[in-house]
Amino acid sequence: QVQLQESGPGLVKPSETLSLTCTVSGGSISSYYWSWIRQSPGKGLEWIGSMSYRGSTNYNPSLKSRVTMSEDTSKNQFSLKLTSVTAADTAVYYCARFHLFQTSKWFDPWGQGTLVTVSS
Amino acid sequence: DIQMTQSPSSLSVSVGDRVTITCRASQSISSFLNWYQQKPGKAPTLLIYAASNMQSGVPSRFSGSGSATDFTLTISSLQPEDFATYYCQQSYSPPYTFGQGTKLEIK
Repeated sequence: QVQLQESGPGLVKPSETLSLTCTVSGGSISSYYWSWIRQSPGKGLEWIGSMSYRGSTNYNPSLKSRVTMSEDTSKNQFSLKLTSVTAADTAVYYCARFHLFQTSKWFDPWGQGTLVTVSS
Repeated sequence: DIQMTQSPSSLSVSVGDRVTITCRASQSISSFLNWYQQKPGKAPTLLIYAASNMQSGVPSRFSGSGSATDFTLTISSLQPEDFATYYCQQSYSPPYTFGQGTKLEIK
């Protein structure tokens, strides 16, 4: 079964770039769509964006100007970059498979999550 | 953006209780509604997709219903392992949005 694991720095300075990687095991990233979701006490669960292995992406308009998602098929990984971070970007970041079936879509499974704190 | 509103925000319940959680969308989303369970310190896990379809491995005491703007998640007989926070999420159109969560607490 597919499993996901997030990795990356737990502390990022304001105005810098947050970079996270999600490593997929038990399946090829070339077979599915993938997403990033974050959770903070203030904003709850927030969809950041989704991408296909072909590289097509769809971002939350509220973050679109700062977000880039990409994939590395050789490592079976996909990644998130969020530029110009502020304290409001402090959250637990999850990667998840974005499952599409006919016209329905859902997030399953999720990685365990990684806490990213924005602070100087 | 489509706003998802859950009620109640929290619920004090006992083992064996029947629990109903409501989720309302700010516009019609057909049946593009999913339910997740989250336990403290853990990632959400999928319970129900497309409003009423149970994810494999989910106990049959969980069920979902509804369409358009009004949806419910029902737990027929609450078990100790069901004390958690539950979220609805719409997949009708991006940005895909979540409800604020309903926390089940022990009475």
